[in-house]
Amino acid sequence: DAEITQSPRHKITETGRQVTLACHQTWNHNNMFWYRQDLGHGLRLIHYSYGVQDTNKGEVSDGYSVSRSNTEDLPLTLESAASSQTSVYFCASSALAGGYGQFFGPGTRLTVL
Amino acid sequence: QKEVEQNSGPLSVPEGAIASLNCTYSDRVSQSFFWYRQYSGKSPELIMSIYSNGDKEDGRFTAQLNKASQYVSLLIRDSQPSDSATYLCAVKSEGNTGKLIFGQGTTLQVKP
Repeated sequence: DAEITQSPRHKITETGRQVTLACHQTWNHNNMFWYRQDLGHGLRLIHYSYGVQDTNKGEVSDGYSVSRSNTEDLPLTLESAASSQTSVYFCASSALAGGYGQFFGPGTRLTVL
Repeated sequence: QKEVEQNSGPLSVPEGAIASLNCTYSDRVSQSFFWYRQYSGKSPELIMSIYSNGDKEDGRFTAQLNKASQYVSLLIRDSQPSDSATYLCAVKSEGNTGKLIFGQGTTLQVKP
């Protein structure tokens, strides 16, 4: 069965360290998205990609970067982790037109100390 | 700024009752609408999609869309304690290939 996976599921890091969160989907979806979810803020879009070599900034992209070298993967990098980036991170994917909704991975809980 | 608004709740209903969850959106050209269910500590799960005015039924769930009023709702019949979760409304606007705008979600509590 097609799926979307994220790793690690839990991560504790220190302020200033670089952290990469992995997202891998086997749906063969063109669109991939990264969100963060915090109490009181709902889902906020960080970065998204509509295909290989395509990346776009979302509403809260500062301090994050992504790269898309193949269809299946969209890793999210926190260049210098800050305590404000403590959150739950969700990856999602959707088909080209996006009309059938997005499918979410299980999430990564990141704690920055 | 395109927006999707939901009452955060909590909405509390007794077991067996109908739960009604509402969502309004600001972008008149929106064309696809989705409801996600999110259990505490879990990821959002797509449960309903609706694209045209009227009702769409799937088991105990009915999605209702009124584009003239920019309003979409989710009805859950015969509510069960297992329906207790946060329900997110999401809207896809015309002109983009996949971005969704999410509401903040409504927390539903079904009491036995």
